Amino acid sequence: DIQMTQSPSSLSASVGDRVTITCQASQDISNYLNWYQQKPGKAPKLLIYAVSSLQSGVPSRFSGSGSGTDFTLTISSLQRADVGTYFCQQSNSLPPTFGQGTRVEIK
Amino acid sequence: EVQLVQSGAVMRKPGESLTISCKASGYTFTDYWISWLRQMPGKGLEWMGRIDPSDSYTNYSPSFQGHVTITVDRSISTVYLQWRSLKASDTAIYYCAKRSEAGAHNWFDPWGQGTLVTVSS
Repeated sequence: DIQMTQSPSSLSASVGDRVTITCQASQDISNYLNWYQQKPGKAPKLLIYAVSSLQSGVPSRFSGSGSGTDFTLTISSLQRADVGTYFCQQSNSLPPTFGQGTRVEIK
Repeated sequence: EVQLVQSGAVMRKPGESLTISCKASGYTFTDYWISWLRQMPGKGLEWMGRIDPSDSYTNYSPSFQGHVTITVDRSISTVYLQWRSLKASDTAIYYCAKRSEAGAHNWFDPWGQGTLVTVSS
C-alpha cells in the first residue's frame, strides 16, 4: 500500500493567516492526489482533486500544488469556517490511502 | 442533487451480526462505484472496499477482506455493509462514498453522513 504522510498533525493560526499543509507519498503517485476537509462531527467533503482542481463551490482561498511524491494544500487567508481536519488521499492505485490528517484551529 | 443517505447509529454486542445501508439518489446508480470507509474514534480514514452497482463486482482492502461483505440492491439504489461477527474493535463511524471521476482521475464525492457503530458487551 502507498503510505501518505501529512505534516503538521495540527496547527493553530490567526484569521487571515496563510496556512500550508504538506502531504508526502511513499512512492511516485504522479498527480493522483485529492484533498478533503472534515468539519467536527461531519462527513469529509471534497476540496481539491487531481492536485489542483478546485471542487465546485469551494472558496478560491484554497489551492493545491505538487507532483510525484510531494504535495501542498494552501489556505491563502484562514477563515473561522476553515476549522476542521484536512486529509490528503492518493488515487494512483488500490487501495486508496489517506494521510493521517491535519487539524486546523483558530488561534 | 447527488446524495447518499445512510442508516442510523446502532449498538451491538461482540459476536452479533450487523448490516448497515447507504441509499443513493440524484444520479444513475449503476454508473459509479460506491466505497465504504472506516473512521475509528479520533482517527483517520481507512478504505474498506467498493462495489460496482452494475454487476455487484467488489474489491476489498486486505485489512478488511473476509471480515465484511459489501452487497447491493439495484432495485432500491442501496449498498450494504455487513458483518457476521462483530468485534469491539469494529466500533467506528462508517461512511459510504460515491466514486467520481474525470479522465483517469477519481475521488470520493459525495459522502454519506456516516453511521456510528458501537460494539460493546
